[in-house]
Amino acid sequence: AQRVTQPEKLLSVFKGAPVELKCNYSYSGSPELFWYVQYSRQRLQLLLRHISRESIKGFTADLNKGETSFHLKKPFAQEEDSAMYYCALRDRRDQAGTALIFGKGTTLSVSS
Amino acid sequence: DAGVIQSPRHEVTEMGQEVTLRCKPISGHNSLFWYRQTMMRGLELLIYFNNNVPIDDSGMPEDRFSAKMPNASFSTLKIQPSEPRDSAVYFCASRRDRGPEAFFGQGTRLTVV
Repeated sequence: AQRVTQPEKLLSVFKGAPVELKCNYSYSGSPELFWYVQYSRQRLQLLLRHISRESIKGFTADLNKGETSFHLKKPFAQEEDSAMYYCALRDRRDQAGTALIFGKGTTLSVSS
Repeated sequence: DAGVIQSPRHEVTEMGQEVTLRCKPISGHNSLFWYRQTMMRGLELLIYFNNNVPIDDSGMPEDRFSAKMPNASFSTLKIQPSEPRDSAVYFCASRRDRGPEAFFGQGTRLTVV
C-alpha cells in the first residue's frame, strides 16, 4: 500500500536555526515526491518536487531511496516560513489522472 | 486564469441536511481531485476524475458522500445527510495530464452542528 508518513505534527524553531521536516514513504512502484506548503489563509501550493532538484525559498529535499525518505531542509529558518507543510507522492509513470497521496502534514512555527 | 474556484467558502449546516460543495477547475485541466482536510487525518483523497470520469472513489467515506463531474468545468461533492463528523475543510484540485503540479482551490470550510 502506498503511504506517506510525516512523524511530527508540530516543529517549533527559532529564527536562524536549521530546519528539517521529515517525510518517509512506502510505495511499491516508482514514486515522484513533492512538498506542498499552506501559508495561513492561503491555498495549498507546490513548494518543490524531487525530479526538479531545485532549491525554493532556501528549501531543498533529496530523495533517499534506500531510506525511503524525502526530508525537507533549510539551513536558516525565517519567520515567514511558518506554515503547514505536506509531503506527497504520485506514481512516477504519471498515468493520466494519477492522484497525489499526502502525509498528515507538519506545522512549522518559526519564532524570533 | 483565476485558478481553481470553490464555493461556498464557508458552510454551516444542521445535522441531517444536504450539503453541496462546488468546484470549477482550471480550464484545460483533465483531472480533478476532491480532498478532505482535518487535524486528525490531514489531507485525505476522497475521489478523483480524469476527463470527467471517476477513476477512484475508494476514499469516499460512506454512501452519504457522492461526487459528480457533468462536464469539464464543473464538479460537485454532495453529503446527504450530513453529520457533525463531516466537519472539515474540503479542497478541490485540478491538474492537466503530464503536468507537474496540482493546483488547489481555497477550500470550503464545512461545519455541521
